[in-house]
Amino acid sequence: KNQVEQSPQSLIILEGKNCTLQCNYTVSPFSNLRWYKQDTGRGPVSLTIMTFSENTKSNGRYTATLDADTKQSSLHITASQLSDSASYICVVSEIFGNEKLTFGTGTRLTIIP
Amino acid sequence: NAGVMQNPRHLVRRRGQEARLRCSPMKGHSHVYWYRQLPEEGLKFMVYLQKENIIDESGMPKERFSAEFPKEGPSILRIQQVVRGDSAAYFCASSLSNWRETPEQYFGPGTRLTVT
Repeated sequence: KNQVEQSPQSLIILEGKNCTLQCNYTVSPFSNLRWYKQDTGRGPVSLTIMTFSENTKSNGRYTATLDADTKQSSLHITASQLSDSASYICVVSEIFGNEKLTFGTGTRLTIIP
Repeated sequence: NAGVMQNPRHLVRRRGQEARLRCSPMKGHSHVYWYRQLPEEGLKFMVYLQKENIIDESGMPKERFSAEFPKEGPSILRIQQVVRGDSAAYFCASSLSNWRETPEQYFGPGTRLTVT
């Protein structure tokens, strides 16, 4: 069964600090891995998309890494801001052209001043 | 260019009633996807549609649920004879095309359905 597991389930850090969120997946075959940010009561917003041939991708203060061999990904957030408080969701797509995404349950990140 | 629009944002229905959820994709997008998010769970794929065609409905319950994406107008997710277990957030996403290697999906704000 295809699964995406994320850790930690929740995280609280001080404004300005860095943090790293983890994602392990068993989806196979694998096409691409995405990280989304979901604010409370809103739809997910894409942060990064990586194919199996990419092992790092940055989007401003967000840097995602991917190890397709170990089926692990991480999302690193630097110099956190209060607006980073949200759920961060790891999403894996199976095969090329297949839009049936498998979502993790997310890490709930809270930034405190 | 407006994003993906969903309405209503909140919907309350009594058991046995019908729920109709609407999704207007981004301008120029012809691919629509519906997802359901139960409390404390991740989003789950329900159905993928192109204009006038259902491409993949493998995530849709076999009974009471249906979806359409007509040539004109929004995509509709219809739930007949709702039950309490249907209470969830329903998200719609759209993409320009799925022939690209990594087509981007853009999500709407969701419709929160509460069945009383």
